[in-house]
Amino acid sequence: EDQVTQSPEALRLQEGESSSLNCSYTVSGLRGLFWYRQDPGKGPEFLFTLYSAGEEKEKERLKATLTKKESFLHITAPKPEDSATYLCAVQAIDNFNKFYFGSGTKLNVKP
Amino acid sequence: EAQVTQNPRYLITVTGKKLTVTCSQNMNHEYMSWYRQDPGLGLRQIYYSMNVEVTDKGDVPEGYKVSRKEKRNFPLILESPSPNQTSLYFCASSLRAGDRTGELFFGEGSRLTVL
Repeated sequence: EDQVTQSPEALRLQEGESSSLNCSYTVSGLRGLFWYRQDPGKGPEFLFTLYSAGEEKEKERLKATLTKKESFLHITAPKPEDSATYLCAVQAIDNFNKFYFGSGTKLNVKP
Repeated sequence: EAQVTQNPRYLITVTGKKLTVTCSQNMNHEYMSWYRQDPGLGLRQIYYSMNVEVTDKGDVPEGYKVSRKEKRNFPLILESPSPNQTSLYFCASSLRAGDRTGELFFGEGSRLTVL
């Protein structure tokens, strides 16, 4: 069964304190792994797509990496405006119309 | 402005009273999908549509219906709502079915409470 597990559920950081969020996945064949950001009261907003192990993508203070079993979202020197819930999702080769989302990591960055 | 619009944003209803949540996108996207978001369970896919008149079940379709008569609209229908359908619902769209970028555009969400 295809599934996605994210950890930790919640993470509190001080401004400038770097850390990583984890996304473990089980999928029959990975077509793509995606990271989204969700602000309170809003729909998720697309961040990155990763396709194969070893791939990395960067955007401002965020860097996403991918292995054969998990992905990490590294946050370098976070700012309060990075506070949000970060969602991970996968798309399988055998049915790429379906997306499987994790339950997210709620990040709180204190000034 | 490119957007996905859902209505209503908030709704409180009673068990058994049929309701429809509308979803409209202005980006000429082929693919549209409905999700529900519950604490600890994440986003779960209800139904999706690859194009006009083409729909299929996601992982949690029980109690829901959809239709895709026009490219821009993808309404979610609850024929006889029950309290376990109390949730936050999101509509999403992407350029085409199977778009490998995985870039889904989400609406702002519809919070539904069934008493």
